[in-house]
Amino acid sequence: AQKVTQAQTEISVVEKEDVTLDCVYETRDTTYYLFWYKQPPSGELVFLIRRNSFDEQNEISGRYSWNFQKSTSSFNFTITASQVVDSAVYFCALSEARSGGSNYKLTFGKGTLLTVNP
Amino acid sequence: DVKVTQSSRYLVKRTGEKVFLECVQDMDHENMFWYRQDPGLGLRLIYFSYDVKMKEKGDIPEGYSVSREKKERFSLILESASTNQTSMYLCASTTPWAYEQYFGPGTRLTVT
Repeated sequence: AQKVTQAQTEISVVEKEDVTLDCVYETRDTTYYLFWYKQPPSGELVFLIRRNSFDEQNEISGRYSWNFQKSTSSFNFTITASQVVDSAVYFCALSEARSGGSNYKLTFGKGTLLTVNP
Repeated sequence: DVKVTQSSRYLVKRTGEKVFLECVQDMDHENMFWYRQDPGLGLRLIYFSYDVKMKEKGDIPEGYSVSREKKERFSLILESASTNQTSMYLCASTTPWAYEQYFGPGTRLTVT
């Protein structure tokens, strides 16, 4: 069975600090996909990034960066120079890739509440 | 932009009522999903559908049913609402090759 663990339930930082959100996953599949979603106070989940299991390159998008390490089954998310608008719940998720199928289920972690204080 | 809409943002129902939650997407997506979100538990999959009239149980289907008569619409039905179904319900959709799911704004259901 797939499992996603976000050990940090809540993190509080002061604006302009860097912050890393941890994500550890378990799967028996050799082909899988990892995701990060952001859920601001408005409630709607916003897709941030997708990574497949064959691509271990780190990704940077503005102040956001992601570190995928298969050796440790981790997919960590770093926000550089955090801002108040980054305050949200962040979810890490894992999807199995079924060959020829169209029913890709996501397994979510329990989320990390990030509060960025001014 | 993908648009997923849900019929209500907030809903209050009484125990024993039949409740319909509706989700509509405008991107011709084949796959649609219903999740519930509870504090400390994250998102859990209730049901999903990969085609019209096709459905598959997720991790917590008990007490729920679904209907997909048209490709753009996926309904979640609580046959007899109970207080332990008070939760945030999120709908999502995707194409088979996109993998990432696009979510609606959620419906916060309170059963009293």
